Amino acid sequence: QLQLQESGPGLVKPSETLSLICTVSGVSVSSTTYYWGWIRQAPGKGLEWIGSIFYSWTTYYNPSLKSRVAISIDTSKNQFSLKLTSVTAADTAVYYCAGSGYGAYEVFGDWGQGTLVTVSS
Amino acid sequence: SSELTQDPAVSVALGQTVRITCQGDSLRSYYASWYQQKPGQAPLLVIYGKNKRPSGIPDRFSGSSSGNTAYLTITGAQAEDEADSYYCNSRDSSGHHLLFGGGTKLTVL
Repeated sequence: QLQLQESGPGLVKPSETLSLICTVSGVSVSSTTYYWGWIRQAPGKGLEWIGSIFYSWTTYYNPSLKSRVAISIDTSKNQFSLKLTSVTAADTAVYYCAGSGYGAYEVFGDWGQGTLVTVSS
Repeated sequence: SSELTQDPAVSVALGQTVRITCQGDSLRSYYASWYQQKPGQAPLLVIYGKNKRPSGIPDRFSGSSSGNTAYLTITGAQAEDEADSYYCNSRDSSGHHLLFGGGTKLTVL
């Protein structure tokens, strides 16, 4: 049973870097049949894909965030992480990590519970 | 265009059938996946690929597509199908980046 759990600061100051970790259990993050992603949801708004990472550490990022985002994998801890630089209030959102074992990285079959990150001084 | 468009809200009488739509050019090339999100919860995958349901999703949920439009159909809607939003997602026309629709709020009357 795949489980994902987000962790990280709930409050980040403007212009600083948002850093979140997703701890995965039940599946190896280096699996060649699983894909990993980050999605966010601003308060009262819809879902926004941030980026995805999978085997061979291929990464794809939302073009609107690409200059500020980095996703990486730590196989020793079975985790993958998100870094978003130069944050503003517009980056305030619930951040979800998600996984896909359905053979396509756009199919997010498993989600973490989400973590609210507020950008404020 | 690189976007997926959904109607903001739909309603359905209990036990009736409702179809939620998702439009986008990339849907001519890629399947849509559908997610149900209830208040305070993470999204739940209900349909993916060519009308596939994850384990545990009732068979009243089905998916289809035609041209640039994908459909999520709930046949015999139940009270528990009411959700803050049903979201579609897919790849964009480049095939690398992902898109989510704006979501459709479903009310079961």
